[in-house]
Amino acid sequence: NAGVTQTPKFRILKIGQSMTLQCTQDMNHNYMYWYRQDPGMGLKLIYYSVGAGITDKGEVPNGYNVSRSTTEDFPLRLELAAPSQTSVYFCASTGTGEETQYFGPGTRLLVL
Amino acid sequence: AQSVTQLDSQVPVFEEAPVELRCNYSSSVSVYLFWYVQYPNQGLQLLLKYLSGSTLVKSINGFEAEFNKSQTSFHLRKPSVHISDTAEYFCALLYSGSARQLTFGSGTQLTVLP
Repeated sequence: NAGVTQTPKFRILKIGQSMTLQCTQDMNHNYMYWYRQDPGMGLKLIYYSVGAGITDKGEVPNGYNVSRSTTEDFPLRLELAAPSQTSVYFCASTGTGEETQYFGPGTRLLVL
Repeated sequence: AQSVTQLDSQVPVFEEAPVELRCNYSSSVSVYLFWYVQYPNQGLQLLLKYLSGSTLVKSINGFEAEFNKSQTSFHLRKPSVHISDTAEYFCALLYSGSARQLTFGSGTQLTVLP
């Protein structure tokens, strides 16, 4: 049971480039989340999903897109990278009837 | 709207001393409360949680937190800290009908000094 896995671990982007952050969980969880973590700001919710085919915006969705074609995968897409998107991104999941979220190891993104 | 406030951004403490990390919340509905810990360059791990029942909850590594509804607090305490407790600690809440979305505080960096 690998839990929540994220790739890549670290990435440097130039302004205007695009990329996809991958997130996979093997716990058959319905709920999945993307957060960004900035120093002194805690974690902010970007997007979440309550099941395959269902996604919704969180607190800070601008500049990002998501899809959920399977229960296991929840990729996060950055279309036009901006310096303000420099952050650490965490994916998390939880199951129906559970309260605890399980986090991946994170992706560190630097936009120059 | 719900919110979580962690007043102390950094807490330095000497090894074997007691520590308290403060967390206050604001919510008009019932909530569940959590403490997560983040060790350097890692993801977040659940430390302990309050769902219902006894207001004092404990972790396996000696931390405890008490849910105080009248003061809307969920402070984290440990009577004697170790170097290995150095990490960032996040308080978070979850409320009914939120699609299980967590609202996080800004975090407290606990640094245990030798």
